[in-house]
Amino acid sequence: NAGVTQTPKFQVLKTGQSMTLQCAQDMNHEYMSWYRQDPGMGLRLIHYSVGAGITDQGEVPNGYNVSRSTTEDFPLRLLSAAPSQTSVYFCASSRQGSYGYTFGSGTRLTVV
Amino acid sequence: DAKTTQPPSMDCAEGRAANLPCNHSTISGNEYVYWYRQIHSQGPQYIIHGLKNNETNEMASLIITEDRKSSTLILPHATLRDTAVYYCIVRVEGGSEKLVFGKGTKLTVNP
Repeated sequence: NAGVTQTPKFQVLKTGQSMTLQCAQDMNHEYMSWYRQDPGMGLRLIHYSVGAGITDQGEVPNGYNVSRSTTEDFPLRLLSAAPSQTSVYFCASSRQGSYGYTFGSGTRLTVV
Repeated sequence: DAKTTQPPSMDCAEGRAANLPCNHSTISGNEYVYWYRQIHSQGPQYIIHGLKNNETNEMASLIITEDRKSSTLILPHATLRDTAVYYCIVRVEGGSEKLVFGKGTKLTVNP
């Protein structure tokens, strides 16, 4: 079991570039989420999904796009990167019901 | 979702019990209390959760007051590796699956 796998681990983008952060889980979890964490702060929810084909916005969705075509994958797209999107991004997944989330190891993104 | 209040920081001596408090005075009857921790810059790690009864697993114990307005996470024998930020979160089962993180408690275990 690999758990939750995030790629890449590090990325530097120029302002205006687009990219996709990948997230995959092999636990057949229904729920998946994307968070960002800025220095010294807690995690803020960007987007989440309760199953394939179903996504919804979190606290800070602007500038990000998601889709969930399979149970395993939940990619996060940055449409036009801005310096304010410099952050550490975490993907997480969970079984439906009262279970804990499993988090990935994060993607550290810098936008210059 | 109900909000939680935690002290920003706590210290504990290695080998002693660490008791981390959390207030959730507006918790609803169908909301669970979850605890996670984040060691340095790693992804958060699930620790334990409960609804009404006290819970124990290999990592920690969770004590929930009878009125459910507060809870305490207990690490029975803290080690240096337990130094982390601990987050207390309330979450509705089967409802919105949004985990809302506060700022948590920074626990420092001292040798």
